[in-house]
Amino acid sequence: DAGVTQSPTHLIKTRGQQVTLRCSPKSGHDTVSWYQQALGQGPQFIFQYYEEEERQRGNFPDRFSGHQYPNYSSELNVNALLLGDSALYLCASSSRTGSSTDTQYFGPGTRLTVL
Amino acid sequence: AQSVTQLGSHVSVSEGALVLLRCNYSSSVPPYLFWYVQYPNQGLQLLLKYTSAATLVKGINGFEAEFKKSETSFHLTKPSAHMSDAAEYFCAVRVNRDDKIIFGKGTRLHILP
Repeated sequence: DAGVTQSPTHLIKTRGQQVTLRCSPKSGHDTVSWYQQALGQGPQFIFQYYEEEERQRGNFPDRFSGHQYPNYSSELNVNALLLGDSALYLCASSSRTGSSTDTQYFGPGTRLTVL
Repeated sequence: AQSVTQLGSHVSVSEGALVLLRCNYSSSVPPYLFWYVQYPNQGLQLLLKYTSAATLVKGINGFEAEFKKSETSFHLTKPSAHMSDAAEYFCAVRVNRDDKIIFGKGTRLHILP
C-alpha cells in the first residue's frame, strides 16, 4: 500500500514565479492538509481540503491556493514567490470517514528553493 | 488558542541512556496530542498519539509518552537510546478530530557513542 506521495522532490524557482506542488494521499484517505516547514522550524498549517473544498486555512496569504481532485489528490499553488517561501512543503492525508480520523500521515515533502 | 512548547531545541544523551523530551501544551478543551519524528531530508513519521484513552501511550521504536492533565504535559521517553534515534522530534496538538495540527518548534536529539 503506497503511502502519501509528493512531487516533485526538489524545486528551484526565482522570485515572482509561480509554483505547483502535487500530493497523492494514502489509499482510503479523503482529506489532504498542507504544511510549510521553514528551516529549523516546526511545520505550519497552510490549509486543508476535503470533498474538493478548502475547509480550513492557516495564517497564509492568498498567494497560497490549492485544489483537490475527485480522486482526492491535491495541488498547492504559490504565486509571486518570495525568498521567504523557501521551505519544505509537507502534505498530510487522513480520513474523515475511516476509523482513524484523528491521524494524519505525512509525505516526504517537496523542498522549494526560491532564488 | 492551542499551542505547544517543547523545552530544549537540542538534547544530547549517551547511547543506552534514558531519553526524555519535554512537551507542554495549551488547550481550552481536551486535546489530541502527538509526537512525530523527522529524519534528515524526510517527512514526518507518527511515533504515538493520545486521544483521551489511556494516559500512558506506547508508540513505535520503544517510545512512550504520558499525558498529565494537571501539568499540561506530554513528555516523550525511551528507556535506552539507540544511535538510530538521532532525529528531530515534534510534539503536536489538535483540538478537534478533523482540525489542523499545531506543531512545536522541535527538539533535535543527539545520541553520543
